[in-house]
Amino acid sequence: GQQLNQSPQSMFIQEGEDVSMNCTSSSIFNTWLWYKQDPGEGPVLLIALYKAGELTSNGRLTAQFGITRKDSFLNISASIPSDVGIYFCAGQRSGGSNYKLTFGKGTLLTVNP
Amino acid sequence: NAGVTQTPKFQVLKTGQSMTLQCAQDMNHEYMSWYRQDPGMGLRLIHYSVGAGITDQGEVPNGYNVSRSTTEDFPLRLLSAAPSQTSVYFCASSLTSGSFGYEQFFGPGTRLTVL
Repeated sequence: GQQLNQSPQSMFIQEGEDVSMNCTSSSIFNTWLWYKQDPGEGPVLLIALYKAGELTSNGRLTAQFGITRKDSFLNISASIPSDVGIYFCAGQRSGGSNYKLTFGKGTLLTVNP
Repeated sequence: NAGVTQTPKFQVLKTGQSMTLQCAQDMNHEYMSWYRQDPGMGLRLIHYSVGAGITDQGEVPNGYNVSRSTTEDFPLRLLSAAPSQTSVYFCASSLTSGSFGYEQFFGPGTRLTVL
């Protein structure tokens, strides 16, 4: 099955720095979701995007639904140690009754205090 | 609400053994799904269900069975465990209508080792 191309695979940054990561696909997606997974836990939904061009914030997190519908971006501003974890993008390819999500392979974020 | 719950949290099996991973949700979600997570592979869909009595295969269904007799429960059965099924298994659920139809909520996972 198709997976999204998520980059970078990992990031090691200093506390206080801003972070950017993205997902791209050769197919159009109607919905983009961003999840965070803490060690030993299940993924937790951070932001959901439903319209091309949409820009949505959740605290220090900002995500955008690409205008082509083939990409999405997540930015984290002023990183803190608790931002450590794996960030996944997920896309829903078509509307109607198809609820399946396609996931990227994740970006592992490490924050150095 | 407890959200999505999974049991057991950890399990060790021997090759050839069978077992059932339990998943339950109390949010009245129609859609439920099972994923496996392997290092560097992200989350891969095993099976899913859009309602009681309806199930379908995902990306990696071989070696797994599911059934959905109630809205709340969606168990995953390993028929004859193999070392290749060593993984972390996540159950997720969502609504199937409205603006929030595609926001899937995940359980805490079951960590399975097959020797």
